[in-house]
This record gives sequence, C-alpha cells and structure tokens, in this order.
Amino acid sequence: GNSVTQMEGPVTLSEEAFLTINCTYTATGYPSLFWYVQYPGEGLQLLLKATKADDKGSNKGFEATYRKETTSFHLEKGSVQVSDSAVYFCALYRPSYDKVIFGPGTSLSVIP
Amino acid sequence: GAGVSQSPSNKVTEKGKDVELRCDPISGHTALYWYRQSLGQGLEFLIYFQGNSAPDKSGLPSDRFSAERTGGSVSTLTIQRTQQEDSAVYLCASSSSRGQETQYFGPGTRLLVL
Repeated sequence: GNSVTQMEGPVTLSEEAFLTINCTYTATGYPSLFWYVQYPGEGLQLLLKATKADDKGSNKGFEATYRKETTSFHLEKGSVQVSDSAVYFCALYRPSYDKVIFGPGTSLSVIP
Repeated sequence: GAGVSQSPSNKVTEKGKDVELRCDPISGHTALYWYRQSLGQGLEFLIYFQGNSAPDKSGLPSDRFSAERTGGSVSTLTIQRTQQEDSAVYLCASSSSRGQETQYFGPGTRLLVL
C-alpha cells in the first residue's frame, strides 16, 4: 500500500543550524510529494511540493528534491530560525486514490 | 478570499453526548476532507467528499461517526455517543478539484470529551 515514513522527532536545533528532515515513501506509479507545516496553534499549510521525479520544491528557504530512485523527499534548510519551530508533515498524493497520505509529522524546535 | 473555516474552535462535551463539527470550505472547492489529529499523533484520514458524495469513507473509525455535505459546500461531521478516545483536533481541508492535490486546511476544532 501507500505510506509515508518520516524521521522521528522531536528535533532540536540552534538558530542558524542546518536542517534535514528525512522522508521516504512507498507507492506505485508516480505520486506527487508534499511538505506541509503546522505552526503552533494553527492549521496545516502547504510548504512546498514536487510533482515528478527530480523536481525540486522550494519555499521560504526550504527545499526538497523528489528522488524516485531512493523514494525519498527529504526536507532541507541551510539556516533555521526560531520562527521555523513547527511540526512538519511529509505527504504523498496519488490521483487514483484521490486523497493525500500523511506521514506522522516531525516536531522541530529551534532555540536562540 | 476567505480560507477554510471551522466551528466551533473548541468543544467540551460529556461522554455519551452527540457533537456536530462544521466545516466551510473555500468557495468553489469541490473536494473536502476530514482528518483527526490526536495529541502527539499524525493525521488520521476520516472521510473525503467530492461534491456532495463521499467516495471514500474508509477512515471513519466507527459507526458513531458520520458526515454529510450539502450544496457542495458546508460539511458537518457528527460524532454520536462520544467517548473519551474521541478527544482530538478535527481538521477539515478543501481543494479545488478532484485532480488538484494541494489541500487548504482550516484551523481545526479541538474536541475534549470528559
């Protein structure tokens, strides 16, 4: 079946550190891949997405590259800020299933 | 334009009572989703609507849960005879079409069953 696996949190980093949150997926065909972010007390919002192999999604300094050969979509940011503290969800969408499958989420805390 | 709205934002109820949660999707969005997020857990898919019909009800955890959507717009999630394990944040999301996979989420309804 289709599934998404993320690295377990919580992740705690100092401001300006490099961030990587690993995400791997299981799906047949060619799913679209997403990162959603949930800031404290808010709903989820789309951070970035990629719809085909080797695409790179980017937004707010975050990047993720769709790697079909390793079935991965790792989230990276070169220099995190305190305001990046949130829960990050990796997700995939397959049109034939008509729904988005979310990973369990990874909590990130950035300390000054 | 307005985003997805949900009401109430918080609901405290007693075990055994029924509750109704409401979702107003973005105007014109045909697809609507309900999820449940328990403390420290990820998102659990509950049900999906395309228009007024629900092609996928596979995520509803029990027959105490039901949902409907009218006029291709507002949706109501009803939980009958609530149990303490129903306590969670219930999130609603909408997207513009069946083929449009980016979802826009509401702020959620935080349900506490005492």
